[in-house]
Amino acid sequence: LAKTTQPISMDSYEGQEVNITCSHNNIATNDYITWYQQFPSQGPRFIIQGYKTKVTNEVASLFIPADRKSSTLSLPRVSLSDTAVYYCLVGGLIKAAGNKLTFGGGTRVLVKP
Amino acid sequence: SQTIHQWPATLVQPVGSPLSLECTVEGTSNPNLYWYRQAAGRGLQLLFYSVGIGQISSEVPQNLSASRPQDRQFILSSKKLLLSDSGFYLCAWSGEGEGDSTEAFFGQGTRLTVV
Repeated sequence: LAKTTQPISMDSYEGQEVNITCSHNNIATNDYITWYQQFPSQGPRFIIQGYKTKVTNEVASLFIPADRKSSTLSLPRVSLSDTAVYYCLVGGLIKAAGNKLTFGGGTRVLVKP
Repeated sequence: SQTIHQWPATLVQPVGSPLSLECTVEGTSNPNLYWYRQAAGRGLQLLFYSVGIGQISSEVPQNLSASRPQDRQFILSSKKLLLSDSGFYLCAWSGEGEGDSTEAFFGQGTRLTVV
């Protein structure tokens, strides 16, 4: 599995856009990039998944450059409720060969009023 | 729709006592199942994962074990708990039938305190 590196923490303010970059220099051809969000005392929740270029859903956008060695999760106009830990995962599709889900340390995002 | 049940929500156990945490999934078949542990303020540590009945892969050597007696049942056990076993335990499943995905679904977790 490709190793990921992301900032330990980030502070922001309500209404701002938050961008979290994850480095994954050893990403394999078949690997996807997935982001999860975790609130205290809860399990992580899937946010977004992508393979290349840009993916957008109702929650976030995921930007992946052509070399795929990094990715950026963008949270538009954050609110206090977006305070959480955000995890970047890189790996193959889960159904294939029982792929593991290995989480790194995550980025602790604190949204201030 | 699919749901995952994990219990109990909290547990306080003395050192040396046994442990059994159960996780069940509804609404899907042949899911991949996972057990994670999270220490306070830390990331998620993958403990075990299973791709089918009786098939368990261990990620971290420890005094914990896992079993999958049925397709949608995953059990985490210990014969003798250690203080270091305290933490937040999470069960997860993945492998939606309609297509491949990297999305996993987590239970509500069990907060275990070993005293």
